[in-house]
Amino acid sequence: AQTVTQSQPEMSVQEAETVTLSCTYDTSESNYYLFWYKQPPSRQMILVIRQEAYKQQNATENRFSVNFQKAAKSFSLKISDSQLGDTAMYFCAFMTQGAQKLVFGQGTRLTINP
Amino acid sequence: DAGVIQSPRHEVTEMGQEVTLRCKPISGHDYLFWYRQTMMRGLELLIYFNNNVPIDDSGMPEDRFSAKMPNASFSTLKIQPSEPRDSAVYFCASSLVLPNVGETGGLPYEQYFGPGTRLTVT
Repeated sequence: AQTVTQSQPEMSVQEAETVTLSCTYDTSESNYYLFWYKQPPSRQMILVIRQEAYKQQNATENRFSVNFQKAAKSFSLKISDSQLGDTAMYFCAFMTQGAQKLVFGQGTRLTINP
Repeated sequence: DAGVIQSPRHEVTEMGQEVTLRCKPISGHDYLFWYRQTMMRGLELLIYFNNNVPIDDSGMPEDRFSAKMPNASFSTLKIQPSEPRDSAVYFCASSLVLPNVGETGGLPYEQYFGPGTRLTVT
């Protein structure tokens, strides 16, 4: 069974700083997808970024980027120029290609301080 | 599109009562998922449907839980009888799997989540 581990329960940084959230996963599959979801206090789950395992290039979405290390089974999220609106729970998630099942990590609570 | 719609947003009930949570997926989506979120267990997939057919219900905790999808635009998650340990936020999500990203303008395999139903069983 696939597992996803987020080793940082909480993080706190100052506005405009860069922050990196860690995620590791365990799988025997070779084709899969990885995701970062954001859950602000409104509790709405919002997709931040995704990565296909077959792509070597790291995904980027504006201020959000990932460092995907397939051999190490690591998938970290970097938030540049952090903003107050980035304050949220962040969940790393795994999906085997074709399986449609998302397996989530326990989440990291990120606080951006003014 | 209005996104995934869930009702009610909040539900408070007494132990032993029947609870029904409702979900309307995004029109055209062919997958529907029910998740439960608790502090202790995090986000768990309970069950998911493809074209209204249940595909995997291995996450359903016990026989007190049941889910149906009578048509492409509606699903229910029922708990009968409810217990205090069922208190959680229940999310519905939907997705559309297409071979070509360009046909949707979005991402294949992306699950769009509803706002959730916060259930409190006293």
